[in-house]
Amino acid sequence: KAGVTQTPRYLIKTRGQQVTLSCSPISGHRSVSWYQQTPGQGLQFLFEYFSETQRNKGNFPGRFSGRQFSNSRSEMNVSTLELGDSALYLCASSFQAGGSDTQYFGPGTRLTVL
Amino acid sequence: DAKTTQPPSMDCAEGRAANLPCNHSTISGNEYVYWYRQIHSQGPQYIIHGLKNNETNEMASLIITEDRKSSTLILPHATLRDTAVYYCIVRGKAAGNKLTFGGGTRVLVKP
Repeated sequence: KAGVTQTPRYLIKTRGQQVTLSCSPISGHRSVSWYQQTPGQGLQFLFEYFSETQRNKGNFPGRFSGRQFSNSRSEMNVSTLELGDSALYLCASSFQAGGSDTQYFGPGTRLTVL
Repeated sequence: DAKTTQPPSMDCAEGRAANLPCNHSTISGNEYVYWYRQIHSQGPQYIIHGLKNNETNEMASLIITEDRKSSTLILPHATLRDTAVYYCIVRGKAAGNKLTFGGGTRVLVKP
């Protein structure tokens, strides 16, 4: 079974721009979670989607948003990019929501903001 | 979710067993212990998880103390490819699918 895929793998943007990242979960998985990883803050939870609904949200500003489609694919968007948004953005999928299933991570998208 | 404490780093000789400790003294009865590892700049890789009993799979063994306040991840025969940051996470249903990562243990396997 194919793993979690994320596109693009690398991205360079400038301050003030916006960016959209994509995540395709493992086939059959319906929950998708997003994480941000920076050297200073480590791995931090952004939000989780299940059945096209946001179920949980981390402590990030409203510039960070996401959505999930009916085929469980998910996108996250960051508007008005800041230098501090440079990070590895990770997506994880699991079969169910509710904390009872193992989550599997994708390879990540490395975003650099200049 | 309960907080975990791990040593920041440890070295291990290639071919020897690596024993990675994790303290989770405030764990609740329905919280699981999960282990992930992250090889440089890749996505975290699931290793193993357990509730009360010891668990073993093709990658590792997980030993959980009887009081569940600590656990040890055992890599039976460490290879150079096991060099990574290892994260111990305690997770309960109350947090849903949100994983709270600490600093992890940076493991360096030396030839």
